[in-house]
This record gives sequence, structure tokens and C-alpha cells, in this order.
Amino acid sequence: AQSVSQHNHHVILSEAASLELGCNYSYGGTVNLFWYVQYPGQHLQLLLKYFSGDPLVKGIKGFEAEFIKSKFSFNLRKPSVQWSDTAEYFCAVNPNNNDMRFGAGTRLTVKP
Amino acid sequence: DTAVSQTPKYLVTQMGNDKSIKCEQNLGHDTMYWYKQDSKKFLKIMFSYNNKELIINETVPNRFSPKSPDKAHLNLHINSLELGDSAVYFCASSHGQPETQYFGPGTRLLVL
Repeated sequence: AQSVSQHNHHVILSEAASLELGCNYSYGGTVNLFWYVQYPGQHLQLLLKYFSGDPLVKGIKGFEAEFIKSKFSFNLRKPSVQWSDTAEYFCAVNPNNNDMRFGAGTRLTVKP
Repeated sequence: DTAVSQTPKYLVTQMGNDKSIKCEQNLGHDTMYWYKQDSKKFLKIMFSYNNKELIINETVPNRFSPKSPDKAHLNLHINSLELGDSAVYFCASSHGQPETQYFGPGTRLLVL
């Protein structure tokens, strides 16, 4: 079945560590890609998105993601995490301009 | 100004009751959505509406019915509530597909 996979269920890092969260999808054709963040007790907010162009996308709060078409991946990165980055991170794919599909989410815990 | 608002924020009710959750967006978007987020944070789309037309309806029981009185509102009615309906329900809106979706703060539903 077509899907969006986030391999890491829970990631625990210390402050200043580098972060990479994996996201793979299995849809063919044109895809639009998103990363959303959900801070504890809050709603989902957009971190960044990719529609076309430069496959390295810069988002808010120092996050970036790289679209690698050959690997069907859209991994999220941040060079140095902060305690305030503790949240749930969702990768989402909008295949062929159809409905949005979300990954299962990755919980990030940053220890001060 | 709140872009996407939902009421109520919390809803505690008995099994078998009928309840409604309201959603309003003031972004001028033409597409609105309802998502269900379970206890494991898994986010699943339930419905989307575009110009009062239902676009998608995932495998959602017919006890759930979306009602859109106008472009700015998409309410969710739930009949004969069951224990398994307990979850956080998020409303979202976008300017068509595949644009960024803006999420409401969520409604935490607990069925006793």
C-alpha cells in the first residue's frame, strides 16, 4: 500500500546535538512534501514544504529538509537542537495533488 | 486573530450521545478538513470539503457527518458516540490542493 514512513518513533537528544529525522514515501508521480511540528498541547504548524525547485528547503527555526527523488525521501535536519524543539514531528505527502497523507510522527525529546 | 478556530476545546460525554464540533476559518480558504489524532499521535484524515462538495471520505463510520453551512465553516457531527471515538479532532483549511494546510487548536473528545 502507498504510504508515508517515519522510521524513528522517538528520538532523544541532548541540546546542541544535530538532528535528522527520516521520511520516506511510496507514491509515484508528482508529490508535494511537508514537515509539520506539533508542540506539546498545541496544534500542527508548518515547518517547511517542497513543491518544486531547489531540493534543499529551508524552513523556520533553523530547520531544513532535502528532497531526494531517487530515494523517495524528504529527511528533516537541524544542525543544533534546543530544548524548545521538543515536539512531535510529522512528515506529510500530497501525492498528485490529492489528499494529504501524514506519517505516524516522530517524537523528539531534547534534554537540557 | 485566530486563523482556524474550533469549539469546544474539550468535550467529555457519555457513550451513545450525539455531539458536534464546530470549525471556522477566517483565511478565505476554499477547502477545509477534519482529522482524527489517536492516542499514539497518528493523524488520519476524515473528510475534506471544497466549495461545499465532499472530496474525500476515508473509511469513517457514517455516524460521523461533516456539515458546511458556508465556505468558512465545516462542522463535524457525531452520532451514537463510542469509546473508540475518544481522540483529538483537528480542523484544517487550505487554499485548494496541494497548498499548505492551516490547523486549528484541536478538540479533545473523551467518551466515557
